Amino acid sequence: KQEVTQIPAALSVPEGENLVLNCSFTDSAIYNLQWFRQDPGKGLTSLLLIQSSQREQTSGRLNASLDKSSGRSTLYIAASQPGDSATYLCAVDHGNKLVFGAGTILRVKS
Amino acid sequence: EAGVAQSPRYKIIEKRQSVAFWCNPISGHATLYWYQQILGQGPKLLIQFQNNGVVDDSQLPKDRFSAERLKGVDSTLKIQPAKLEDSAVYLCASSLLQGDEAFFGQGTRLTVV
Repeated sequence: KQEVTQIPAALSVPEGENLVLNCSFTDSAIYNLQWFRQDPGKGLTSLLLIQSSQREQTSGRLNASLDKSSGRSTLYIAASQPGDSATYLCAVDHGNKLVFGAGTILRVKS
Repeated sequence: EAGVAQSPRYKIIEKRQSVAFWCNPISGHATLYWYQQILGQGPKLLIQFQNNGVVDDSQLPKDRFSAERLKGVDSTLKIQPAKLEDSAVYLCASSLLQGDEAFFGQGTRLTVV
């Protein structure tokens, strides 16, 4: 049974810092991995999708890496802004469903 | 492109009552998912449809939860009777095909009192 763990559970940083969110999974036979953002009371917004054959994906200030063999992914946020404050969720896909971690609550202080 | 639409946004009911949620996926998306997100946890898959057929409902509490996707487009999720532990956000998502990028709706926040 796939288990997804996200560390840290919560993070508070001053504006402008670069930061890393971690995601680990127990079953490396994945199809892809997605990072989502969730604002309070809202649904999930897809940030990045990494196919199992890829090592990383970039979008603006976001960079996600995937090491399938070790069961790890990281989301790197450069030059953090208060608007980045949200819960960040990673999810692994075996081609039939997404299994989510519990998320990292990020607060960027101005 | 219109996103995944869900209604209602919020619902408060008493335990043992019934409730229904509606989802309209992105046009052309064959795969539709219902997830349950309890406060402080990640979403958990309840049921997955491919067109109008059920692909996975292994985590759906079938004694009280039911879902349908008639005509392979929009879908409804029903809870009857509701329990206190059903309080959660119910998220609908869709993807073009299984394994493609999933897009989520705003969710329905259910409170059972």
